Amino acid sequence: GENVEQHPSTLSVQEGDSAVIKCTYSDSASNYFPWYKQELGKRPQLIIDIRSNVGEKKDQRIAVTLNKTAKHFSLHITETQPEDSAVYFCAAKRSIYSGAGSYQLTFGKGTKLSVIP
Amino acid sequence: DGGITQSPKYLFRKEGQNVTLSCEQNLNHDAMYWYRQDPGQGLRLIYYSQIVNDFQKGDIAEGYSVSREKKESFPLTVTSAQKNPTAFYLCASSIFRTTGQGPTPASKFFGPGTRLTVL
Repeated sequence: GENVEQHPSTLSVQEGDSAVIKCTYSDSASNYFPWYKQELGKRPQLIIDIRSNVGEKKDQRIAVTLNKTAKHFSLHITETQPEDSAVYFCAAKRSIYSGAGSYQLTFGKGTKLSVIP
Repeated sequence: DGGITQSPKYLFRKEGQNVTLSCEQNLNHDAMYWYRQDPGQGLRLIYYSQIVNDFQKGDIAEGYSVSREKKESFPLTVTSAQKNPTAFYLCASSIFRTTGQGPTPASKFFGPGTRLTVL
């Protein structure tokens, strides 16, 4: 099955600096890679996603890159702010087709990002 | 994300008891999921359902049961057979979008979660 590794497990940056979180996946047929942000005690919320036919996607201060050959994808946050402090999860969609309307995600173990004012 | 609700927010269970966690969505999503979250473990899939009256085991289904009698509801029962049930439980739902390249997964929306503690 799919295996997703996420690094680092914790990351501290100064406000205004950039943060990069990296994930690798094992199933070369995986084709959808979302990133979720989870604030303490709250639900995970999708912040950006990328599909395998795209190499990079940006949304304001957040960008995700995908290298299909190397089977890794990364989240980049520029000009970090204290409100970016949270746990970030990467995920990969398994290639197994589960039927119309459903799909299975394998999640990384998360990165706790702390932005120091 | 306000379209998915979970109750209760906190739940305490005595050893040997079964408890049921509620999940309701009004997003008209066909697929619903249950995940378990433990510190440092990420999210692990317990069960998922593609359609009413159908559900499939995920990676850690042992000690859990579900039902899907209505499209809007996907309750999870944590049975006494689950040896370590203390965790944060998240329900989610999703839908596919049809694009020029065929069906593609849209966002998976999570509920606010239920924190279960075994006393």
